[in-house]
Amino acid sequence: EIVLTQSPGTLSFSPGESVTLSCRASQSVNSRYFAWYQQRHGQAPRLLIYGTSNRAAGIPDRFTGSGSGTDFTLTISRLEPEDFAVYFCQQYSSAPLTFGGGTKVEIK
Amino acid sequence: QVHLQESGPGLVKPSGTLSLTCTVSGGSVRSSNWWIWVRQPPGRRLEWIGEIYYTGNNNYNPSLKSRASVSVDQSKNQFSLTLISVTAADTAIYYCARGIHPGSAVASLVQQWGQGTQVTVS
Repeated sequence: EIVLTQSPGTLSFSPGESVTLSCRASQSVNSRYFAWYQQRHGQAPRLLIYGTSNRAAGIPDRFTGSGSGTDFTLTISRLEPEDFAVYFCQQYSSAPLTFGGGTKVEIK
Repeated sequence: QVHLQESGPGLVKPSGTLSLTCTVSGGSVRSSNWWIWVRQPPGRRLEWIGEIYYTGNNNYNPSLKSRASVSVDQSKNQFSLTLISVTAADTAIYYCARGIHPGSAVASLVQQWGQGTQVTVS
């Protein structure tokens, strides 16, 4: 199975700053089948990005996904208070689908 | 707006059977979706367990060694997870979810998640 590695585990930023999260795959992923999710504390995960760079319905344009092959990134511009959460990546390019371990974006 | 809600026992004895149900409201399990179970053990990453299409097609994670079964009850608009021979390693938050296989994808894009339910094996 494809192993997704997210590092670091925690990032500390201030509101208004921009942050880039990384997700590396153990083997090449079809970029059409790569996603990012957000999970706020105590809430269900929420789909942010699918197909590497497509924002899901209702997701603000400060969230941008990019990447190809084995390296994918999620950039959050101008962090808002509600953006401090855990973000995890997912590939659905090959079975079984797999998730990254998550990166927590916390307030500095 | 589709809403997913997990239900079931929060405590299961070792070697017993874990049974969870996901009630779908605001939509139908007969729609063109994959109905999915995902879990997250404490301190570990999310793990896909398995899924079912409304036609009855199933896919499972081989890591569970055939212990998992996902079924759908169209009359109740629910789908269920059964996990047999549980151990402490099966302690996790269990999520039900809705997904699709876009294009030629062989696995699901998880579009929507339930809130999750804690299951402890002890």
